[in-house]
Amino acid sequence: SQWGEENLQALSIQEGEDVTMNCSYKTYTTVVHWYRQDSGRGPALIILIRSNEREKRSGRLRATLDTSSQSSSLSITAAQCEDTAVYFCATEMPNYNVLYFGSGTKLTVEP
Amino acid sequence: NAGVIQTPRHKVTGKGQEATLWCEPISGHSAVFWYRQTIVQGLEFLTYFRNQAPIDDSGMPKERFSAQMPNQSHSTLKIQSTQPQDSAVYLCASSTRDWGGCTGQLYFGEGSKLTVL
Repeated sequence: SQWGEENLQALSIQEGEDVTMNCSYKTYTTVVHWYRQDSGRGPALIILIRSNEREKRSGRLRATLDTSSQSSSLSITAAQCEDTAVYFCATEMPNYNVLYFGSGTKLTVEP
Repeated sequence: NAGVIQTPRHKVTGKGQEATLWCEPISGHSAVFWYRQTIVQGLEFLTYFRNQAPIDDSGMPKERFSAQMPNQSHSTLKIQSTQPQDSAVYLCASSTRDWGGCTGQLYFGEGSKLTVL
């Protein structure tokens, strides 16, 4: 596997809390994608960060990328019930168009 | 834009039967990908096409699985002699990514859930 994590992780938080999800990868990459998957749907891209950005924000989302430690994180500020989903990070090797997905984090936001 | 369309949404087959899954990519997208999703293995890459040509099938099981893209508007994934371990959600995605070019996002369909009894 291109990824270090092997098992789906689960997080449960209360509405209004902040949460950070982490993933690590084994091979060199210049970009990390973060996708969210709602129950019964396909994954959808929520944020993409390139190696020259280190940090990227989109609304309540914040992604970071540390190429030296080969890790990325996704933070959600003031989580809401509708943020409940499975979140995946994905990456590819340069000039190789296939995205490989991590095992994902199942986030549950409770009211 | 209707998005990526996958049919059927659910398919139940008996062990040893054949299953064919269809995907209609977003119009104008040059790349089509197939993934398989299970609780245990997560999202596994199977194969991908660019401009209808097969580019990488490194994730495809060597026996029983095959994929085709006869025209730009649809791709099929065929599983012969299905086994219970083939039970999974099969996801199709399309993209405007170019070979060696800028990374483009994948647009996924809602998946076809295959259950092999």
